[in-house]
Amino acid sequence: NAGVTQTPKFQVLKTGQSMTLQCAQDMNHNSMYWYRQDPGMGLRLIYYSASEGTTDKGEVPNGYNVSRLNKREFSLRLESAAPSQTSVYFCASSPSGAAPQPQHFGDGTRLSIL
Amino acid sequence: AQSVTQLDSQVPVFEEAPVELRCNYSSSVSVYLFWYVQYPNQGLQLLLKYLSGSTLVESINGFEAEFNKSQTSFHLRKPSVHISDTAEYFCAVSDDTGRRALTFGSGTRLQVQP
Repeated sequence: NAGVTQTPKFQVLKTGQSMTLQCAQDMNHNSMYWYRQDPGMGLRLIYYSASEGTTDKGEVPNGYNVSRLNKREFSLRLESAAPSQTSVYFCASSPSGAAPQPQHFGDGTRLSIL
Repeated sequence: AQSVTQLDSQVPVFEEAPVELRCNYSSSVSVYLFWYVQYPNQGLQLLLKYLSGSTLVESINGFEAEFNKSQTSFHLRKPSVHISDTAEYFCAVSDDTGRRALTFGSGTRLQVQP
């Protein structure tokens, strides 16, 4: 009963370093999303993937890249980390349907850029 | 474009008192509305949703929300809160375009005091 699993849970990086945040879901969902959460701003969409092999930009994509490796996995990469990317990152997934379906969230990755 | 406004960043309330968390949205197309709850150091969990049909929707733990199209609101209410309801609550809207990503409000922190 894992749902959406994110790794790592915590990470500290230095400015300019790169890293990949991993996300996997076991619910056979087509759609997957990456959000960032900052104090007082709710969650903002970085990238999403409507199905395996497709990705598209969200509200705040600059400085990030994504890969939909297969139906289960959707990774987020920071090529050159900046202090402005310090945030909590959430991955989510949802099934397809005639109407928007509720999204299921992982527990988040807390990322600090020094 | 769609947006969500949660006017109250924090709502302190005593245990067993009623509470209302306000949410207003703007959208030029059909909307689908959600309330999510986030406990400390956890991801978001779906509390309730409005997709169509009855404008009053209920959750299993006593919360309810009413979709009011004329006032573009989706306020969350509970007649008697418990200490365990202390959490952050997010209102979100999705549209019926292909993306179906969520647009979140900035969140309301509910603090239930004994």
